[in-house]
Amino acid sequence: DTGVSQNPRHKITKRGQNVTFRCDPISEHNRLYWYRQTLGQGPEFLTYFQNEAQLEKSRLLSDRFSAERPKGSFSTLEIQRTEQGDSAMYLCASSFQGISGSYNSPLHFGNGTRLTVT
Amino acid sequence: AQKITQTQPGMFVQEKEAVTLDCTYDTSDPSYGLFWYKQPSSGEMIFLIYQGSYDQQNATEGRYSLNFQKARKSANLVISASQLGDSAMYFCAMREGQRARQLTFGSGTQLTVLP
Repeated sequence: DTGVSQNPRHKITKRGQNVTFRCDPISEHNRLYWYRQTLGQGPEFLTYFQNEAQLEKSRLLSDRFSAERPKGSFSTLEIQRTEQGDSAMYLCASSFQGISGSYNSPLHFGNGTRLTVT
Repeated sequence: AQKITQTQPGMFVQEKEAVTLDCTYDTSDPSYGLFWYKQPSSGEMIFLIYQGSYDQQNATEGRYSLNFQKARKSANLVISASQLGDSAMYFCAMREGQRARQLTFGSGTQLTVLP
């Protein structure tokens, strides 16, 4: 079990540039989540995938943000025309959810990508 | 309304003593799960313990236990025999409903263990 892997660990970009982050979930996990965390706050939900389908998006996910999970394995989160308010830690998590549905499966988080927009 | 409320921004505890971190939640769904995570300064979120709304017993995992009071909608985390390595941010989170989607997190409690 290699855990959830996120790349890069840190990204510094200038305002207006586009950035893309990658997440590799735990291999047998069918659900993948993206969260954003600012300093001193808890993670805020952005979006999640069940296999390759994006099933839910938070209103926090403006049209500058797009996420994909093309083959139901790794996922990418792209932010276009970055703004200083996008500076945050972006966390990816994965879990396994059976057909019957279960609310007891924990999310397993990666180490995050810290984005700084200058 | 806040779904998860953690009213203690910071807590201190002496090494080897027990400490309780508070968490209250708000939901009208009878089916839900409550989770606690630890986030050290290195940043990774570590799952600690889970309690289901229908569980009759309080959850325990090693030195962690959950004081679940359903009528009060509280799910406090108890850490026994605190260690210096327990110093971290602790988050309470909830997943609501049978369809079991994302976790909603509280704002966290920064725990510092004193030698």
